[in-house]
Amino acid sequence: GNSVTQMEGPVTLSEEAFLTINCTYTATGYPSLFWYVQYPGEGLQLLLKATKADDKGSNKGFEATYRKETTSFHLEKGSVQVSDSAVYFCALEGGKLIFGQGTELSVKP
Amino acid sequence: SQTIHQWPATLVQPVGSPLSLECTVEGTSNPNLYWYRQAAGRGLQLLFYSVGIGQISSEVPQNLSASRPQDRQFILSSKKLLLSDSGFYLCAWSLGGVSSDIQYFGAGTRLSVL
Repeated sequence: GNSVTQMEGPVTLSEEAFLTINCTYTATGYPSLFWYVQYPGEGLQLLLKATKADDKGSNKGFEATYRKETTSFHLEKGSVQVSDSAVYFCALEGGKLIFGQGTELSVKP
Repeated sequence: SQTIHQWPATLVQPVGSPLSLECTVEGTSNPNLYWYRQAAGRGLQLLFYSVGIGQISSEVPQNLSASRPQDRQFILSSKKLLLSDSGFYLCAWSLGGVSSDIQYFGAGTRLSVL
């Protein structure tokens, strides 16, 4: 069946460091892929999405590219800020959204 | 614009007591509605989803039930809470008539069963 695997957290970075959070998926067909973010004590918000192979989703300095050949959708940001501290979820649309387990990011000043 | 309301924000309940969490959506018609649970340190588990009034699909057999008495109202219930029901409960909606697409989440209810 469809599934999503994310790198385990927590990830701790200093401000202005480069961020990569790995996400790989297993799916039949070509599902849409998403990154959601959950700030402390809040619900989830859509961060970015990509609907087909080689699409790049981007928002707030974050980017992720839909890689069919490696079945990956890694999240990247060139320079993180303290305000980026949150839990990040990778997800795929396979009839309904299937989420990864989440990766906690902590950015220190 | 569309908004989603979920309440209460925090709830502490004794084991064996009943539960009712409510979620309402404004600004859209016939949305798909979802209930998720997020246990501490874990990802999201889809509990129930609904594509219309009175139509509920259960993803995981458990101590909980869901109902959709009105188009934009989704209720999560239990007759007798267990310790294992503790967690962060999230309601979400997406546009009706399309396959999942983007989901929009409420702020969540943190439930502690003691």
